[in-house]
Amino acid sequence: DTEVTQTPKHLVMGMTNKKSLKCEQHMGHRAMYWYKQKAKKPPELMFVYSYEKLSINESVPSRFSPECPNSSLLNLHLHALQPEDSALYLCASSHSGTRTSGGYNEQFFGPGTRLTVL
Amino acid sequence: AQSVTQPDIHITVSEGASLELRCNYSYGATPYLFWYVQSPGQGLQLLLKYFSGDTLVQGIKGFEAEFKRSQSSFNLRKPSVHWSDAAEYFCAVGARTNAGKSTFGDGTTLTVKP
Repeated sequence: DTEVTQTPKHLVMGMTNKKSLKCEQHMGHRAMYWYKQKAKKPPELMFVYSYEKLSINESVPSRFSPECPNSSLLNLHLHALQPEDSALYLCASSHSGTRTSGGYNEQFFGPGTRLTVL
Repeated sequence: AQSVTQPDIHITVSEGASLELRCNYSYGATPYLFWYVQSPGQGLQLLLKYFSGDTLVQGIKGFEAEFKRSQSSFNLRKPSVHWSDAAEYFCAVGARTNAGKSTFGDGTTLTVKP
């Protein structure tokens, strides 16, 4: 299985809602990532989990809360979002995390969740 | 700090014509280099990667790229473009010791004329 899956595909939420995005991979990868992508822009890194521990937080607002329950799952909890948070949210995974020096970081991306905040 | 520049924002080629997308990187050591393709509303798909060894790298869908250290470039090529190649293309550089920090270029939009 060389796939990263993301659910839901589309999500529309109000600014007072609480929702979660889910990402799953079964490739045995130990690093997982959340990216935010606006239209016609490259993905912007939000968070990196390495061996189920948060290793990188790119100064993301606290209304985004990541969680890595196990090595295969990655969640992104959303609360009190703003309309400018509307974007495509991409999950990715790679073979090794920051703990392994010399490890390569070819990332496998999921199809993304299209989020619209009203 | 690592950085990637894709000089061409938008490229239009005719179907069957050859293609070259440019990518220049800045990195203090030998980088990991990647090309990804993204169709509208989809995730990114890895086309090819360079870690070490042969500087001419073959990828999927008939793409290849050449790593030129002297020019800090990793240009993507395809000898004959198909209409289905129309998409957004991203070049990325990754650090060898930190799996988290891949830096993406701004992307090149490829349009294919019939």
